[in-house]
Amino acid sequence: NAGVTQTPKFRVLKTGQSMTLLCAQDMNHEYMYWYRQDPGMGLRLIHYSVGEGTTAKGEVPDGYNVSRLKKQNFLLGLESAAPSQTSVYFCASSYDRGDYSNQPQHFGDGTRLSIL
Amino acid sequence: SQQGEEDPQALSIQEGENATMNCSYKTSINNLQWYRQNSGRGLVHLILIRSNEREKHSGRLRVTLDTSKKSSSLLITASRAADTASYFCATDAQIQGAQKLVFGQGTRLTINP
Repeated sequence: NAGVTQTPKFRVLKTGQSMTLLCAQDMNHEYMYWYRQDPGMGLRLIHYSVGEGTTAKGEVPDGYNVSRLKKQNFLLGLESAAPSQTSVYFCASSYDRGDYSNQPQHFGDGTRLSIL
Repeated sequence: SQQGEEDPQALSIQEGENATMNCSYKTSINNLQWYRQNSGRGLVHLILIRSNEREKHSGRLRVTLDTSKKSSSLLITASRAADTASYFCATDAQIQGAQKLVFGQGTRLTINP
């Protein structure tokens, strides 16, 4: 039972390059989320999705785009990477049972991204 | 700004001792969750306590919630080396008109053998 799988696990980019982070979940969860984790800042929500074909902005959406073409996948894109986007990125998913904030979130093991 | 703030930021104790971590939040909540994060891994959900609950147990974990003080505590009894991790509280909060889960900065717990 894989749960939430993130690829790649590590990546180094140069400023201005683009890339896509992939998140896949096999729990048939409706909701999926992208967070970034920085030292001293905790986890901050970038974008989230409440179902296939839907996306919404979180706390820190600037510089990122997302897509949810399939229920099990949630993609995070960086169109033009900046050093400020150096971080650890986590994907999570949860069930839809009314107010989603009541549901535990299941996390992947993260993607460590460095922008030079 | 963070909804939840953990205290202390770091805690180091001997194996077998109890560990207590605290979380304070700013606005009213529907529920509060605690998560554990081992080094280099993702967060793992530990326990959820609703606003109408005062205490909840799960194995060696005990969580309390005091909505009048806007605070929660996580107690780990009889600590083990494997409990070494960072612990985060998360509360629901309104962001851009919708309910979101907001995480604190975490308490880094070290259990010394």
